Amino acid sequence: EAGVVQSPRYKIIEKKQPVAFWCNPISGHNTLYWYLQNLGQGPELLIRYENEEAVDDSQLPKDRFSAERLKGVDSTLKIQPAELGDSAVYLCASSLETGYEQYFGPGTRLTVT
Amino acid sequence: EDQVTQSPEALRLQEGESSSLNCSYTVSGLRGLFWYRQDPGKGPEFLFTLYSAGEEKEKERLKATLTKKESFLHITAPKPEDSATYLCAGNGGRRALTFGSGTRLQVQP
Repeated sequence: EAGVVQSPRYKIIEKKQPVAFWCNPISGHNTLYWYLQNLGQGPELLIRYENEEAVDDSQLPKDRFSAERLKGVDSTLKIQPAELGDSAVYLCASSLETGYEQYFGPGTRLTVT
Repeated sequence: EDQVTQSPEALRLQEGESSSLNCSYTVSGLRGLFWYRQDPGKGPEFLFTLYSAGEEKEKERLKATLTKKESFLHITAPKPEDSATYLCAGNGGRRALTFGSGTRLQVQP
């Protein structure tokens, strides 16, 4: 069974530039999550989707971050404009339903210079 | 506010030297306590879910246990390939995982 796929794996951009991350969850998983992980810390939830509906986006900085999950499958997370403090690893995860174990992708390491 | 605290932050063991990692949690309406393993440059890998106090689960050299306030990850006779960061997370009322900062385990041959 294929795991969660994320791209790109690495991204280096200058501050104020836009950036987008893509995630393809495990087939059949209804719930999709985006997390942010800083070095030496555990992941922190940014947004949770149940099918195509964003049901928890309270931790998403909406002035610069946006996300979408069209057709309830793939998802895209966008930052515009990026700031130096956005440098981190962005993880996507999926689960069969909310509350079940989550399976993570390899992450996208973002460096903002 | 949900909180998960892991200790120690880092642990160095000799191969074969058993030990335990601690996860203390304050999670409202706990719906599950999760353990993950994370290798450098990779996403967390699911290990266990525990749902109620007294529950135990095992996988190879790892055993996870749960009380009303803590969870322990016991590592028996570890090998160098067990070296990784182990993350604990609680699933609470928000139905989202609250992670601890992890324990970095290094097992020396």
